[in-house]
Amino acid sequence: GESVGLHLPTLSVQEGDNSIINCAYSNSASDYFIWYKQESGKGPQFIIDIRSNMDKRQGQRVTVLLNKTVKHLSLQIAATQPGDSAVYFCAENSGGYQKVTFGTGTKLQVIP
Amino acid sequence: NAGVTQTPKFQVLKTGQSMTLQCAQDMNHEYMSWYRQDPGMGLRLIHYSVGAGITDQGEVPNGYNVSRSTTEDFPLRLLSAAPSQTSVYFCASSPEYPGTGAYEQYFGPGTRLTVT
Repeated sequence: GESVGLHLPTLSVQEGDNSIINCAYSNSASDYFIWYKQESGKGPQFIIDIRSNMDKRQGQRVTVLLNKTVKHLSLQIAATQPGDSAVYFCAENSGGYQKVTFGTGTKLQVIP
Repeated sequence: NAGVTQTPKFQVLKTGQSMTLQCAQDMNHEYMSWYRQDPGMGLRLIHYSVGAGITDQGEVPNGYNVSRSTTEDFPLRLLSAAPSQTSVYFCASSPEYPGTGAYEQYFGPGTRLTVT
């Protein structure tokens, strides 16, 4: 919701440009990572995932890159559209419900 | 399929009141969970369930109870509401256990709770 979006870093991009959203994760033992999209007033929605034995995975218009050396994850959105406006956050999992950590998120604003 | 449904969408409680947040899923998922989302923080796990009759605590379980009498329903009870429980609550379900393998969680639309 809107209150969750306050105080978040914001990325503003022009419609049609590519967007890159970054996430630093904390646990070197994490071996599974997910990106979520959360539109205002809605629940998080799965976008794409990646396992630690990969460094890149592509979906439809989205690519996730994983750099385990520096514990960094990025989400690239190609040809960003107004419907991509949302909060995006990553999650890392080192095994089990209690070992999933969610990031705080980045707000993506698409300028028409 | 309706997916994961939550009721109510909004709720205002006075300190000390109790209430139940409802969550239901129609996807026959074994795994369900409750999270709270606060400004500037990531989702935090309150309680989770790995099947009917089995529940366990998450990171922030104090002040909340859960039960799982059926596969479909996973209600969250606030025993005596406090202002610190003002938050947005999300229920989620998954066909796989969030272990080290791939899994996908389906989230409900959330309940926005204010405790005065």
